[in-house]
Amino acid sequence: GQNIDQPTEMTATEGAIVQINCTYQTSGFNGLFWYQQHAGEAPTFLSYNVLDGLEEKGRFSSFLSRSKGYSYLLLKELQMKDSASYLCAVRDSNYQLIWGAGTKLIIKP
Amino acid sequence: EADIYQTPRYLVIGTGKKITLECSQTMGHDKMYWYQQDPGMELHLIHYSYGVNSTEKGDLSSESTVSRIRTEHFPLTLESARPSHTSQYLCASSEGDSGELFFGEGSRLTVL
Repeated sequence: GQNIDQPTEMTATEGAIVQINCTYQTSGFNGLFWYQQHAGEAPTFLSYNVLDGLEEKGRFSSFLSRSKGYSYLLLKELQMKDSASYLCAVRDSNYQLIWGAGTKLIIKP
Repeated sequence: EADIYQTPRYLVIGTGKKITLECSQTMGHDKMYWYQQDPGMELHLIHYSYGVNSTEKGDLSSESTVSRIRTEHFPLTLESARPSHTSQYLCASSEGDSGELFFGEGSRLTVL
């Protein structure tokens, strides 16, 4: 079967750095996506990795290791508005997105 | 900014009713999707479309149907709602082979 695993919840302090991990087992791989979803709102696209390595976009970075079936999302200089759920999704061999249940990130002052 | 709209945002109906959730996008995207999401759970694909007159069932077609008569419009119909259909329904669109999805704000359905 296909499976995406990420922690259910994480807590971090404003101004700090947090790393949200995602491991996956899918039938084929055509890219990994991270989305942000604030409570009661729709997901919004954050990043896309298809090759191994680090992709940096401002305060957010995403890393991929295809051989390990592993990715992480790194958030720097945390702000209160970063409190949200972060969804990991993998595009499989049929080009369909398989979604993780999301990691709820709580930022404390 | 994404231009994809869903109506209604909130709906409470009785068991056995027929309902249609509307979704429209003004970006000219060829691909459109319907997802179901319960709180704290992953998104489940209900239906998708890769273009006009093309629709496919996802993992969770849940006694629902869709149509794609126009590029911009992708309505979802539940023929006979049940309490198990209580959930949030998210419509999304994407362009070409891009995996970046643009989501509507969702329709939160409660079936009594």
